Amino acid sequence: DTEVTQTPKHLVMGMTNKKSLKCEQHMGHRAMYWYKQKAKKPPELMFVYSYEKLSINESVPSRFSPECPNSSLLNLHLHALQPEDSALYLCASSPNRDTYSNQPQHFGDGTRLSIL
Amino acid sequence: EDQVTQSPEALRLQEGESSSLNCSYTVSGLRGLFWYRQDPGKGPEFLFTLYSAGEEKEKERLKATLTKKESFLHITAPKPEDSATYLCAVLVMEYGNKLVFGAGTILRVKS
Repeated sequence: DTEVTQTPKHLVMGMTNKKSLKCEQHMGHRAMYWYKQKAKKPPELMFVYSYEKLSINESVPSRFSPECPNSSLLNLHLHALQPEDSALYLCASSPNRDTYSNQPQHFGDGTRLSIL
Repeated sequence: EDQVTQSPEALRLQEGESSSLNCSYTVSGLRGLFWYRQDPGKGPEFLFTLYSAGEEKEKERLKATLTKKESFLHITAPKPEDSATYLCAVLVMEYGNKLVFGAGTILRVKS
């Protein structure tokens, strides 16, 4: 079992809906990540939070809005998504993202998102 | 230009038939190289971290090695449960300490 928990496991939504993806870790990690993964492709980085502050936004469309309420939780708010946004959304965490940090990231099992 | 290249794209083995997966990289300033296993519909599962050339790590039937230009994941006497996609990723300072993934190798082990 993974130590990064994502909910829901599956989500189907229309293009006008608003929904949120949730991620939780209790490993004391201070860096958290959102990735998008399309079928048969590697994960693509979307956002990075370091010590609860957004440190990287990979030019993601504004219809995706991340939030980090505290050091254990990470949310991804979704609004007015497009069919091409259908994918597996993965959350990951690592001990920290300090300049010389090289610790591995640990992933959750993702949320399978389908946009109708 | 690909920074991380994995080969082969797909590999079919018979149970017990040992082989190796390759991950070559052209980045400079490598901070770490990571191997992950991913099962269908699941997130990547961390396997190994390698930090410097000559380093080796082992876990059950898997052994990862690192040179200055590539890493190998050796699978000894594989079993059907080893079937998965194996992802290699490098951590590079010039990319803001971000992970750069290879495209993965799909491994199928038949009994």
